Parts: sequence; C-alpha cells; structure tokens
Amino acid sequence: GDSVTQMEGPVTLSEEAFLTINCTYTATGYPSLFWYVQYPGEGLQLLLKATKADDKGSNKGFEATYRKETTSFHLEKGSVQVSDSAVYFCALSRGSNYQLIWGAGTKLIIKP
Amino acid sequence: DVKVTQSSRYLVKRTGEKVFLECVQDMDHENMFWYRQDPGLGLRLIYFSYDVKMKEKGDIPEGYSVSREKKERFSLILESASTNQTSMYLCASSPQYRGPKETQYFGPGTRLLVL
Repeated sequence: GDSVTQMEGPVTLSEEAFLTINCTYTATGYPSLFWYVQYPGEGLQLLLKATKADDKGSNKGFEATYRKETTSFHLEKGSVQVSDSAVYFCALSRGSNYQLIWGAGTKLIIKP
Repeated sequence: DVKVTQSSRYLVKRTGEKVFLECVQDMDHENMFWYRQDPGLGLRLIYFSYDVKMKEKGDIPEGYSVSREKKERFSLILESASTNQTSMYLCASSPQYRGPKETQYFGPGTRLLVL
C-alpha cells in the first residue's frame, strides 16, 4: 500500500545552517505531496505542497520539489532560525478520497 | 482564517469511562477528520466524514465511534476508554470541492490520559 518514509529525528542544527529533511514515498497513481509543520503547543499547519511531478512548493524560505523518478519530496531551507524548531510531517494524498498518508514526523531543533 | 477548535486541550479519564471529544470548524468545510498522534507513528486516521451524518472508517477505528449531526461539528467517542487510547487526538477539516489536493486545517489537539 501507499506509504511515506521520513528521516528519523531529532535533527539538531545551529542557526543559519542548511537544512534537509528527507521524505520518500510509495504510491500508485499521481498523489499530491505535502509538508506540514507543528510548532510547540500548536496544531499542524500546511507548510507547502506540490500537486504534480517537478512542481516545487515553497513557503517561509522552505522548498521541496516533487521528484517522481526518485519518489522523493525532500524539504530544504538555506538558513534555519531558532523559530524553525518544530516537528515536520511529510504526507501524500490517497487516491480519490480525501485522506492523507503521513510520515512519522521529524523533530527539528535549532540552537542559537 | 479557518479556525478549528477542540473542546479540551488536556483530559484525564479512568479506564472504562465514556469519553467525548468535540471538534468545531467555522469555515463550512464538508470534510472532517479525527487522527491520533503517537511518537514515532505520525498521524493515524481514526474516522472521517464527508457530509452530515456520513462517516467512514480510517485505519484504526477499533474502540472509537463518531457523530456528525451538524456540518460544523464532529465528535469522537471512546465508548469505554482504555490505557492504550492515551494519546494526542487531532481534529482536521477541509473543503471538498478540489478533492485530495486540498489542505487540511487542524485544531490544537487534545492530549488524553487514560488511567
């Protein structure tokens, strides 16, 4: 069945470092791909999404490109800030209904 | 802005109690979802609803039921709480018209402890 695999955390970086959080997926058809973020004490919110191959989603300095050939949707940011500390979830849409399939989440810790 | 609210942020219940978790959204969304979030497991779908009085089982419906009597409100019911239902429960909603590409909007979550 469809699945999403994310790199295990926590990921600890210093401020201004380059960030990559890996996400790979297994799916039939052509899913949409999402990154959601959960800041401490808050609900999940959409960070970015891509709905077809080679699309690039971007928001708040984060980017991810939908790579069908490698079935990946890695999250990147050029220079992280302490305020980026959160849990990041990769997800894909499941077929014709409205469900999402979620990765396990990656906790990101940014140290000043 | 879309707002999804959940009735409690923290809840402590005893084994065997009946537990109600309420979720309300204010954006007239057709779809509503209940997830549980556990460390290392991500989010797992319990139930979802795509219309009033309609419901479908998700991946882990056992031990849970739901109710959707009004479009804006989706309730999760633990008929007889057990310790393995200790978890964070997240409610979400989304509009239906664009299908699976649509963003889901989440509430802040209810952390339930069953003793």
